[in-house]
Amino acid sequence: AQSVTQPDIHITVSEGASLELRCNYSYGATPYLFWYVQSPGQGLQLLLKYFSGDTLVQGIKGFEAEFKRSQSSFNLRKPSVHWSDAAEYFCAVAPASKLTFGTGTRLQVTL
Amino acid sequence: NAGVTQTPKFQVLKTGQSMTLQCAQDMNHNSMYWYRQDPGMGLRLIYYSASEGTTDKGEVPNGYNVSRLNKREFSLRLESAAPSQTSVYFCASSATGAGNTEAFFGQGTRLTVV
Repeated sequence: AQSVTQPDIHITVSEGASLELRCNYSYGATPYLFWYVQSPGQGLQLLLKYFSGDTLVQGIKGFEAEFKRSQSSFNLRKPSVHWSDAAEYFCAVAPASKLTFGTGTRLQVTL
Repeated sequence: NAGVTQTPKFQVLKTGQSMTLQCAQDMNHNSMYWYRQDPGMGLRLIYYSASEGTTDKGEVPNGYNVSRLNKREFSLRLESAAPSQTSVYFCASSATGAGNTEAFFGQGTRLTVV
């Protein structure tokens, strides 16, 4: 069965600093990969997705992610974090019709 | 732009009581899902419905039942609530399988079982 690991439970960065959130997946073939963001008290919003093709994908709000097959990773990055990026971020994998989520990384942004 | 609507937003139940969480989507999506979110555990799939008239178990189905009433609506029922079912419940929908199209989420239902 597929699984997703987000090794960082909580990350704190200063506003304007760069950000990288880690995601590793386990699946026998190339899965579909996603990053979702959840603001406090809200549902989840899709940031970006990878299905095939270019391994560097661009998403909303200035986020990007890179798929690395050799490392089974799909890390999320942003060059300069804004205070409004404080939220919880979930990586998800879907080899078929169901999304499997990681446990999430809570991002705190200090001013 | 309603998207996915869940009701109620908050609910407190006593152990042993029953209730139904309602979910409706207005995007003409075929697939619908129920997840529960618990601290440190991410979102776990309870049940899903790939299309109208079909339902399947997810990762944590015990203690729950679902009904895909029509294409728009997918309800989750707790027949005899237990404190372990205290959680935030999210409904989601997608055009086809959530693996190859974007899944849209409702705002969640915060359920407390005392």
